[in-house]
This record gives sequence, structure tokens and C-alpha cells, in this order.
Amino acid sequence: AQSVTQPDIHITVSEGASLELRCNYSYGATPYLFWYVQSPGQGLQLLLKYFSGDTLVQGIKGFEAEFKRSQSSFNLRKPSVHWSDAAEYFCAVGSGTYKYIFGTGTRLKVLA
Amino acid sequence: GAVVSQHPSWVICKSGTSVKIECRSLDFQATTMFWYRQFPKQSLMLMATSNEGSKATYEQGVEKDKFLINHASLTLSTLTVTSAHPEDSSFYICSASVEYGSYEQYFGPGTRLTVT
Repeated sequence: AQSVTQPDIHITVSEGASLELRCNYSYGATPYLFWYVQSPGQGLQLLLKYFSGDTLVQGIKGFEAEFKRSQSSFNLRKPSVHWSDAAEYFCAVGSGTYKYIFGTGTRLKVLA
Repeated sequence: GAVVSQHPSWVICKSGTSVKIECRSLDFQATTMFWYRQFPKQSLMLMATSNEGSKATYEQGVEKDKFLINHASLTLSTLTVTSAHPEDSSFYICSASVEYGSYEQYFGPGTRLTVT
């Protein structure tokens, strides 16, 4: 069965520190992968996506993610976190029926 | 580009009444729209997929008679929660695809429904 796992429910980092949010997927074919961010009470904003090609994907707000097929992972990274990055982050995989399967999310807290 | 709006952003209704939530693609035509439900501090659960001019396809476990979805035009889909009960209180989010078969979805800002 297709699934997306975000192992970390909560992550706390200091402002200026680096960040890595983990995402593992289970999908039989070539996955279409996404990272979204959700601020409290808001909808989802697309940070970046991977469809094919270069496995290191650059997104908005200084985020990047690397697709590693051998590890079934698509981890999100940022070299220096800003206080405004505090939010909920969702990893998603596009299934064969064009639907999204979302991970359970990782809530990021940024310490000043 | 690719902006999706929802109206209302929040609504409070009494138990037993019905409430309609609108989802509009503002600057593109959406052949497919999706409706999600999100419980507090949880992930998004897909409720249904709707294609313009055809009946919605509901996910397993979603009551299609309670959650009526209409996708009458390429820019508007509506979700009507009928005979709402407190357990229907949730955050409802819609998304839209620019073209059929596209993996890219654009999300609306969500609607907070509270049933008292």
C-alpha cells in the first residue's frame, strides 16, 4: 500500500540553525513528491516538488529537498532557519490516480 | 497565478442545519477539484474528487449523502455538509488541478466549520 511517513511529529530548532525534516514513502512506481507548509489556520503552500530529473530540488523560502530512491526518502532541508519558518510541514506523494497521500506532518518550532 | 479561494473562511452553524462551502479557482480553469478534511493537529484526509460536470468520487468511509459535492463549472466546486452535527466540526480544505491528469494541486486557504 502507498504511504508516507514523517517520523518526527515535533522538531525544535534555534533560529539560524540548520533544519532537516524527514520523509519516507512507500510507492511502487516512480513517485511524484511534494513538500507543503501550513501556517496555523491556513491552507497549504507548496514549497517544492519532484517529478523527475535532478534529485536535488530547490524550492521557495530557501528550502531544498533531495530525492533518494534507494532510501525511499525525500527529506527537506534549510541551511538557516528563520522564526517565520515555524509552521506545520507536510510531505505528500502523488499516487497513480492523481490523488495525494499526505504524511502526518511535522510541527516546527523555532527558538529565538 | 493558480490561486484558489474558499468561502467562507469560517462558519458556525447549529446542529441539524446544512452549510455550504465554496471553492473557486480564480485565475485558471480547474478540471478536477479535491476536498480534504483536517482534524486538529492531524494530516489531511481526502474526502472526494470531483471533475467538472460529473459526479464526485468519494473515498471509502465518506458519507456521500452527508457531504454533497457539486462541481458545476470549471471554476467552482461546492461542498455542502447536510444535517451537520458536532462531529462534523473540522477544517475543510479544497484543492484544484489545472488539467486532468496533473499531479500538481493548488490549495485553498481552508474553511473552519464549527457545529454547535
